[in-house]
Amino acid sequence: KAGVTQTPRYLIKTRGQQVTLSCSPISGHRSVSWYQQTPGQGLQFLFEYFSETQRNKGNFPGRFSGRQFSNSRSEMNVSTLELGDSALYLCASSLGTGYGELFFGEGSRLTVL
Amino acid sequence: QQQVKQSPQSLIVQKGGISIINCAYENTAFDYFPWYQQFPGKGPALLIAIRPDVSEKKEGRFTISFNKSAKQFSLHIMDSQPGDSATYFCAAGGGSGNKLVFGAGTILRVKS
Repeated sequence: KAGVTQTPRYLIKTRGQQVTLSCSPISGHRSVSWYQQTPGQGLQFLFEYFSETQRNKGNFPGRFSGRQFSNSRSEMNVSTLELGDSALYLCASSLGTGYGELFFGEGSRLTVL
Repeated sequence: QQQVKQSPQSLIVQKGGISIINCAYENTAFDYFPWYQQFPGKGPALLIAIRPDVSEKKEGRFTISFNKSAKQFSLHIMDSQPGDSATYFCAAGGGSGNKLVFGAGTILRVKS
């Protein structure tokens, strides 16, 4: 069974640009969560989608947005990039939305110059 | 109130020894406490998890101890091995959904 796939794995952007990251969950999983990982702030919850609906949202500015498609694949978008957005963005999938095991992908490492 | 405090920040243990990592939380609404293991270049992987209706859970060499009244929980790794060298995160969740609040992480190094 294929794991969680995140693309791209690495990307470099400049301040002011926008970026879209993609996540394909494990087949059959309907919940996708996004987390930001930085050395300073650790792992922080961005948002969770279940059946194309946002279920939870973390404490991030509106520049961070996401969506989920009918096939459970998810994308997150960061607009007007800032230097502080440099981070590893992790996607996690789960069968449902009630504390089943979260399966994380290997992440998309974003560097903002 | 949403914080999960984790200690120590780093830990060096001899092969065969016991590794102990501690976490504390404040929000009494938390009712799910997982531990994740992360190797460099990889995403976190669930190691073991506990709910507050039990005080201890053991899976192989890994044990979670949970103290509801003190709002603390800990991970014990028995017979630590060099392959256990990784970063360990505690986390807490509560209510609906899969939102987790993570501790800051502990870098474990097991010396052979």
